[in-house]
Amino acid sequence: DAGVTQSPTHLIKTRGQQVTLRCSPKSGHDTVSWYQQALGQGPQFIFQYYEEEERQRGNFPDRFSGHQFPNYSSELNVNALLLGDSALYLCASSHPPPTGSRYGYTFGSGTRLTVV
Amino acid sequence: AQKVTQAQTEISVVEKEDVTLDCVYETRDTTYYLFWYKQPPSGELVFLIRRNSFDEQNEISGRYSWNFQKSTSSFNFTITASQVVDSAVYFCALSESSSSGGSYIPTFGRGTSLIVHP
Repeated sequence: DAGVTQSPTHLIKTRGQQVTLRCSPKSGHDTVSWYQQALGQGPQFIFQYYEEEERQRGNFPDRFSGHQFPNYSSELNVNALLLGDSALYLCASSHPPPTGSRYGYTFGSGTRLTVV
Repeated sequence: AQKVTQAQTEISVVEKEDVTLDCVYETRDTTYYLFWYKQPPSGELVFLIRRNSFDEQNEISGRYSWNFQKSTSSFNFTITASQVVDSAVYFCALSESSSSGGSYIPTFGRGTSLIVHP
């Protein structure tokens, strides 16, 4: 049973560029959440998608946007990259809120984004 | 205010020692959920345990045990007879309704890096 898969695993971008990260949820899950984890820090919630709509959003600027497809997979887009966007981006899947969130998330291995 | 505090940034032990990772949380809700995750160098967050606010029973799973005390808002994690494979970053997380519009989005602490030396 496949868990959460993310692509690519590593990415290097130049300041000002745009990036798209991809996530396929665990089989049976239809809700996807994205987190940003800076080096030495805990994951910070970016947003959550369910039924192809953004349901909750953390304290991140509009440069961070997302999308969920009918097959429940999701993309995270970041525009006008800043050096401070360098981080591990984690995707997590679950059953719909609030039940899914209460039972915890299944995380992928993340995409390591480096902005130079 | 930080919702989840993991005061220990890094702990270093020798194999077979017992080690306790501390977690203190803050919430106004009466219903909430607490979690521990393990993050090995591969990056994936691995779920270890979930506890709801109405269940203060301690839990033991092999070498792992958890002590939940609402009176002190703590949810500590103990590894008995640590092994080199336990080396990882451990995160405590809190899911509550009031800070996430009813969606119980987990909020993570900063993590504790555990290094177990052979």
